[in-house]
Amino acid sequence: DAKTTQPPSMDCAEGRAANLPCNHSTISGNEYVYWYRQIHSQGPQYIIHGLKNNETNEMASLIITEDRKSSTLILPHATLRDTAVYYCIVIGGGSQGNLIFGKGTKLSVKP
Amino acid sequence: NAGVTQTPKFRILKIGQSMTLQCTQDMNHNYMYWYRQDPGMGLKLIYYSVGAGITDKGEVPNGYNVSRSTTEDFPLRLELAAPSQTSVYFCASSYFTQPPGNTIYFGEGSWLTVV
Repeated sequence: DAKTTQPPSMDCAEGRAANLPCNHSTISGNEYVYWYRQIHSQGPQYIIHGLKNNETNEMASLIITEDRKSSTLILPHATLRDTAVYYCIVIGGGSQGNLIFGKGTKLSVKP
Repeated sequence: NAGVTQTPKFRILKIGQSMTLQCTQDMNHNYMYWYRQDPGMGLKLIYYSVGAGITDKGEVPNGYNVSRSTTEDFPLRLELAAPSQTSVYFCASSYFTQPPGNTIYFGEGSWLTVV
């Protein structure tokens, strides 16, 4: 599975959009981009995933660049409860479920 | 819908003791996993199972054993606890391992301290 690079931390004002970037320049054609988050002292939580098209669900939007080398997770109206570590993970067809989380981005939503 | 349920949530063990972390899921998922997460670090896979009666080692299996007698349950046993096993343990499950159907659902975690 391709490796990912994320900024270690970001701040966002409550009510504003939070845009979390992820670089995955070595992604291959059959690999998906997944986003999970981990709120302090809780288990990781699935947010969204995509292959090449932009995706939206009730939690967030995922924007994948045309060359698929990077993506952005967008939380449209961040709340204090969105404060968490956000993990961008690339998963391919050979996955056995071994998610390599890396260190992610610590998002702090401030009042 | 309870999802993935782990017990106990907190436990203190003495060096050399043994214990079992229980995990059950009610989503009829084929695949189940045990991860550990040390402070400030990412998750590491201990063991996983692709179905009842089938288990396999992950990245850090030493000191642990698992069994999968039913689809729902995947207990993790710690034998001869050591301080290095102080960690947070997460049980998880998924319907598939291959994307796009391999969304993994995690339990709330079990905090284990070995003293």
